[in-house]
Amino acid sequence: DTAVSQTPKYLVTQMGNDKSIKCEQNLGHDTMYWYKQDSKKFLKIMFSYNNKELIINETVPNRFSPKSPDKAHLNLHINSLELGDSAVYFCASSQRRSSYEQYFGPGTRLTVT
Amino acid sequence: AQSVTQPDIHITVSEGASLELRCNYSYGATPYLFWYVQSPGQGLQLLLKYFSGDTLVQGIKGFEAEFKRSQSSFNLRKPSVHWSDAAEYFCAVGARDSSYKLIFGSGTRLLVRP
Repeated sequence: DTAVSQTPKYLVTQMGNDKSIKCEQNLGHDTMYWYKQDSKKFLKIMFSYNNKELIINETVPNRFSPKSPDKAHLNLHINSLELGDSAVYFCASSQRRSSYEQYFGPGTRLTVT
Repeated sequence: AQSVTQPDIHITVSEGASLELRCNYSYGATPYLFWYVQSPGQGLQLLLKYFSGDTLVQGIKGFEAEFKRSQSSFNLRKPSVHWSDAAEYFCAVGARDSSYKLIFGSGTRLLVRP
């Protein structure tokens, strides 16, 4: 059973389009995260939700909007995609907000052409 | 602000040889430190963590790391590398503010020679 899953695994789209990435965890964790990994493998947190409440919102363009319908799901919607949005996006979860041990999904490789 | 530096972008070792990956952190108090591994096309997996206590911590897959406060380091070691260890390795520090976020280093790519 996959602990943290993401769909799709690959996403190729054109500039200006709107796309969503979905994430689900079956670990019963309270906290979920979105990370962006750029072409140089640098990993940076974007958002974090705890029990459906937004608790971390890094400096991210407001074209990115996370949504957590329940504590097992955290989706990422991106409007008006730009070339610079091309990256691998990772979802992760942790048991609770103060638990640093995070479990990562397999990633979604987004390519904007 | 807390930060993590991994000075080696990539390292190549022969299979069976020992390995040490370097990690230096910047933080005033005792940090929470982590090593994660990312295999090709995969997400990150936690190898080991240090919160307090014994400065030599054991992790999964035969890895260990040693916290050295005097050197602000948390280097990852393995006595004998296997070809399956080829991956990207990330050191991270846990933010000790209300965000509880992880701050990652830039990673070190490990290549294993047969």
